[in-house]
Amino acid sequence: AQKVTQAQTEISVVEKEDVTLDCVYETRDTTYYLFWYKQPPSGELVFLIRRNSFDEQNEISGRYSWNFQKSTSSFNFTITASQVVDSAVYFCALRLSGYSSASKIIFGSGTRLSIRP
Amino acid sequence: GAGVSQSPRYKVTKRGQDVALRCDPISGHVSLYWYRQALGQGPEFLTYFNYEAQQDKSGLPNDRFSAERPEGSISTLTIQRTEQRDSAMYRCASSSQGAYEQYFGPGTRLTVT
Repeated sequence: AQKVTQAQTEISVVEKEDVTLDCVYETRDTTYYLFWYKQPPSGELVFLIRRNSFDEQNEISGRYSWNFQKSTSSFNFTITASQVVDSAVYFCALRLSGYSSASKIIFGSGTRLSIRP
Repeated sequence: GAGVSQSPRYKVTKRGQDVALRCDPISGHVSLYWYRQALGQGPEFLTYFNYEAQQDKSGLPNDRFSAERPEGSISTLTIQRTEQRDSAMYRCASSSQGAYEQYFGPGTRLTVT
């Protein structure tokens, strides 16, 4: 079975602190794709990043960084020097490699991040 | 360019009525997905289309739910004889040929009273 677990339901930090959102996934497939999506208070779902299972290189984009470790089945997301605009619900998600690239995404239950000024 | 659009954005209906939710994907995107998101949860897969073909409908909860995409572009999700437990945010997403990430629309908030 495939599953994504985000154990942190809510996190609250003061602005400018660093914060890491945890994500653990389960799959028996050797090829899969991992995602992070952001859902701000306005409600839309915004795609942040995709990672392929065969590429364990960590990625940094501005204040955002992602740490993918196959050995622990984790794909954690760190925000450095957090800002109030980072306040949102963040979803980690998993997609398997099907016969085509079109396949469902399995989402975790999300982590609500609040950044206090 | 224009993103995924959904209409209506909000729908309040009485139990037992049928509702039709519409999704207009990003132009040129061949794959279209429907998800349902309950409050405080992540989106759950309902069904998806490649062009006009419905490839997977394993997530549809029961036979009151159906979806179509007759011309490979706009899609309609229909819920017949709505029940209160159908109340949720219904989200549509699309992806381009060969792409793995999906881009989501703003959703339709359905409330069944």
